[in-house]
Amino acid sequence: ETGVTQTPRHLVMGMTNKKSLKCEQHLGHNAMYWYKQSAKKPLELMFVYSLEERVENNSVPSRFSPECPNSSHLFLHLHTLQPEDSALYLCASSQDGLAGEYEQYFGPGTRLTVT
Amino acid sequence: GNSVTQMEGPVTLSEEAFLTINCTYTATGYPSLFWYVQYPGEGLQLLLKATKADDKGSNKGFEATYRKETTSFHLEKGSVQVSDSAVYFCARGGSNYKLTFGKGTLLTVNP
Repeated sequence: ETGVTQTPRHLVMGMTNKKSLKCEQHLGHNAMYWYKQSAKKPLELMFVYSLEERVENNSVPSRFSPECPNSSHLFLHLHTLQPEDSALYLCASSQDGLAGEYEQYFGPGTRLTVT
Repeated sequence: GNSVTQMEGPVTLSEEAFLTINCTYTATGYPSLFWYVQYPGEGLQLLLKATKADDKGSNKGFEATYRKETTSFHLEKGSVQVSDSAVYFCARGGSNYKLTFGKGTLLTVNP
């Protein structure tokens, strides 16, 4: 148990659906992250929030829309996804990412399948 | 830019064997270095870290030493167990919130 929870753990959605992934951290951290983990590819950083402000957006398609209403919660809104978006989506948090010195704590991930 | 290179694997060992997973990093600045482990069906968990040259991180029998002269942070364990079967990721810290991860090494330990 890392102090970072994600729901749902598994999600199957059609290409025309809209769904949201939820992440919550109970560690009092200031920074939160979304990663995409696909088979046989390196971990891809998607978005970074610090103190509820987005500080990183790594050329992610607009069909992925993040939201950070407060420092404990992070959402990833999904719409009109493609089959190649099927992957494990990981949320992480860290105390303060500014210097890159603080380790990140990961949730268990949401396994997304787009049909 | 920053990068991390780790041995590709997969690595298959018998129980109680010695484990080494090699990791090298680009030498820009003086980054913190990490090893993460991912068990099947789970997210990544921090295994150990080192924040400066010659530091040794250790946890659960695993060790890694920050070697500035060779820009390496190799993971070692003297006697692996079946329960150590997982994917291991080397990572380096950097500026602007980023951790740079290696591609991961799958370890399978057979009884």
